[in-house]
Amino acid sequence: DIQMTQSPSSLSASVGDSVTITCRASQSIGSYLNWYQQKPGTAPKLLIYSASSLQTGVPSRFSGSGSGTEFTLTISSLQPEDFASYYCQQGYITRTFGQGTRVEVK
Amino acid sequence: QITLKESGPTLVKPTQTLMLTCTFSGLSLSSSGVGVGWVRQPPGKALEWLALVYWNDDKRYSPSLKSRLTITKDTSKNQVVLTMAHMDPVDTGTYYCAHTPHPFIAVPNKGGGFDYWGQGILVTVSS
Repeated sequence: DIQMTQSPSSLSASVGDSVTITCRASQSIGSYLNWYQQKPGTAPKLLIYSASSLQTGVPSRFSGSGSGTEFTLTISSLQPEDFASYYCQQGYITRTFGQGTRVEVK
Repeated sequence: QITLKESGPTLVKPTQTLMLTCTFSGLSLSSSGVGVGWVRQPPGKALEWLALVYWNDDKRYSPSLKSRLTITKDTSKNQVVLTMAHMDPVDTGTYYCAHTPHPFIAVPNKGGGFDYWGQGILVTVSS
């Protein structure tokens, strides 16, 4: 089965900062990589699908890149509502989530 | 508008079998490319994918939990049922169902992602 390794597990940042989260797959998954945002007590929200496509309604400060085994999520100018946990997920045949990254206020 | 909602017991005893139902609207499991899956999250921990079923009754399971899981669909009722055997306190958490378009067939395929989620149901395993 495909394993997903996400880093860092947490980071501290300020409003306006640019933030990058990395996700690595244990084998090539093409572009079948998705990113989610989750706030406490709520269901995850799909942000980016197919590695780089922005889900409808998601602000353009969120972007994704990568293919094969290495992927990144970038938030270009962190906003107060962006402090949350972020997860990557591979969608190639089965599904696997990364361990998550908590973005906290510095 | 696509909506999903989980239902089932919120408290189960160790060794019991858990049965959860996902009832949805705005999508049909008789339509090509449609899939519904289950994801869980222990308190304070990461998301974990459990199982999914597609419109053609193709089923996929998490390798680590496959022996304990069964997923079925009832197209006429717009429902997907997940059963998990041999429940243990470590299985405590919030269980979500979500829509997942088939990654190779659906248009758009959403990369095999989950684009619509239920609100989740907290299941506690305790004697």
